[in-house]
This record gives sequence, structure tokens and C-alpha cells, in this order.
Amino acid sequence: AQSVSQHNHHVILSEAASLELGCNYSYGGTVNLFWYVQYPGQHLQLLLKYFSGDPLVKGIKGFEAEFIKSKFSFNLRKPSVQWSDTAEYFCAVGSGNTPLVFGKGTRLSVIA
Amino acid sequence: DAEITQSPRHKITETGRQVTLACHQTWNHNNMFWYRQDLGHGLRLIHYSYGVHDTNKGEVSDGYSVSRSNTEDLPLTLESAASSQTSVYFCASSETRGPYEQYFGPGTRLTVT
Repeated sequence: AQSVSQHNHHVILSEAASLELGCNYSYGGTVNLFWYVQYPGQHLQLLLKYFSGDPLVKGIKGFEAEFIKSKFSFNLRKPSVQWSDTAEYFCAVGSGNTPLVFGKGTRLSVIA
Repeated sequence: DAEITQSPRHKITETGRQVTLACHQTWNHNNMFWYRQDLGHGLRLIHYSYGVHDTNKGEVSDGYSVSRSNTEDLPLTLESAASSQTSVYFCASSETRGPYEQYFGPGTRLTVT
């Protein structure tokens, strides 16, 4: 069975700091990878996705993620965070037409 | 614009009562999913459906049921609500072809007293 591990439960950064959130998955076959963001009191929104092709994926709001197959990782990065990036971030993995499996989430707090 | 709606947005019920949460999508997606979100657990899959009259159990299906009579709707029923089912419930849908990204509804906050 697939599983997703997000190592950071809560990350606190100052504005303009760089961000990297870790995501590792366990599955040996072809995978589709996603990062979702949930702003306080809102539903999940897609930040970016990897389906095939270039392993460096660019998403909305300046986020990017790199798929490293050999490390089973799909880490999320942003060069300079803003206060408005305060949210919870979820990594998810799927394989073909199957339900996504989500990590437990990482709460990001950005302080001025 | 296509969307997923959930109703009610907030619900308080008593232990032992039957509760149904509605989910309606206008994406015309065949796949629909129900998750619950709890602190420390992230999102856990309750039930899912790949099309009309198809339903499948997820990781935490005990105490819940779904039925799919049309493409647009997948109602979630709690047969006899328990305090352990106090949670935020999210409905999602996706296409049956890649990249299979899921679109989420706004959620229903359910409190069982």
C-alpha cells in the first residue's frame, strides 16, 4: 500500500526566508504526485502536480517541487515566503486511477 | 464555473442519530471521494466511487455508507453518529484519466454531542 510521510509537522519562518518542506512516499510503481495547500478555514487547493516529464515542477504562487525518483521524494520549495503563505500543506501520491493518499500535513507559520 | 458544493457547512447532532452529508459536483467527473480531516491524521479516505452505482470502502469506512445514483452526487451517511465521528468532512472529485488531480469541496464541520 502507498504511504506518504511529511517529516515537518510545524515550520515557523520569517518573511523572505526560503522554504523547503519534505515529502517521501513509499510505492515502487509509477506515481502521480501532488502538493495541496489549505489556508485557514478553507478547503484544499492544488499547488502543483507531477504526472510525467520534467521532474522539476512549477506551481502557483512561486512554489516548485522536485521529483527525485531514486529518493522517493517530492519536496516543496519556495525561495521567499510571504505572510500570506501561512497555511497547511499536504503532499499526496496516487497511481493511475486510484484515490490519492495524503500525508499528515505540515503547518507553515510565517511571521513578520 | 464547475465546482463542488457540500451541505450543510456546519452540523451539530446527537449520538445515535443518522446524519447525511451532501456532496454535489458540476465537473461531470466519474470519480468522487469522501475524506475526513482530523488533527494529527491529515486526510483519511472514507469511501469512494468510480461511477454510478459503484462504491468502495476506504481506510476508515466503519460507521459510514455512501450510494451513487447519478454522476453529480455522492451523499455520505453516518448510520448512528458517534462522538469519534466529530470531524471535518471533505468531498472531492477527479477525472478518470491523468493526472487524476482531485478537486475539493468547502467541507462540512460535524460535531456529535
